[in-house]
Amino acid sequence: EAQVTQNPRYLITVTGKKLTVTCSQNMNHEYMSWYRQDPGLGLRQIYYSMNVEVTDKGDVPEGYKVSRKEKRNFPLILESPSPNQTSLYFCATGQGLGNTIYFGEGSWLTVV
Amino acid sequence: SQQGEEDPQALSIQEGENATMNCSYKTSINNLQWYRQNSGRGLVHLILIRSNEREKHSGRLRVTLDTSKKSSSLLITASRAADTASYFCATDGTGYSTLTFGKGTMLLVSP
Repeated sequence: EAQVTQNPRYLITVTGKKLTVTCSQNMNHEYMSWYRQDPGLGLRQIYYSMNVEVTDKGDVPEGYKVSRKEKRNFPLILESPSPNQTSLYFCATGQGLGNTIYFGEGSWLTVV
Repeated sequence: SQQGEEDPQALSIQEGENATMNCSYKTSINNLQWYRQNSGRGLVHLILIRSNEREKHSGRLRVTLDTSKKSSSLLITASRAADTASYFCATDGTGYSTLTFGKGTMLLVSP
């Protein structure tokens, strides 16, 4: 079964405390991406990766880092979270943009 | 970056009625995808339509694409209460490496 797994699903953290949201897929997809969803703003892309060791900025990369050391994993790193990073985060994967893009269930992150 | 814009922002209908949602975008695209999102949940892929296609069907879903008008529509026929969700269109365009979403249409289907 095709799966995109994000962890944690829910997290409340404090300003400045580094955290990592993991994303793993079992479909051998080359393309992976992170989005955040905020009321009134829709889904905005943070970073994406076209393949292992290839990452690039999306529309709202400030305050985030990513890495793609393995094909199946694409962690999102918040080095010093701030309250404006409180959001619902989605990981997405696909075999290139010309194909179906699959989304994880989302990670609710609250920074206080 | 380009963006799809859904219309209407919200739609309320009765079970059994058809629901039509529209999406407009700004620049040339390769593909357009429609997604459904139940409240606070992940996005579920519905249909992908390519720029050289005009219409696709999947069950009770019908998607059309008019590249000359830079618009797409999603029709849900014989709607059910379980269709209550937000619906998003997403585009990827020539030269872009990103899937860009509109802000969605909230559909409420009342029993």
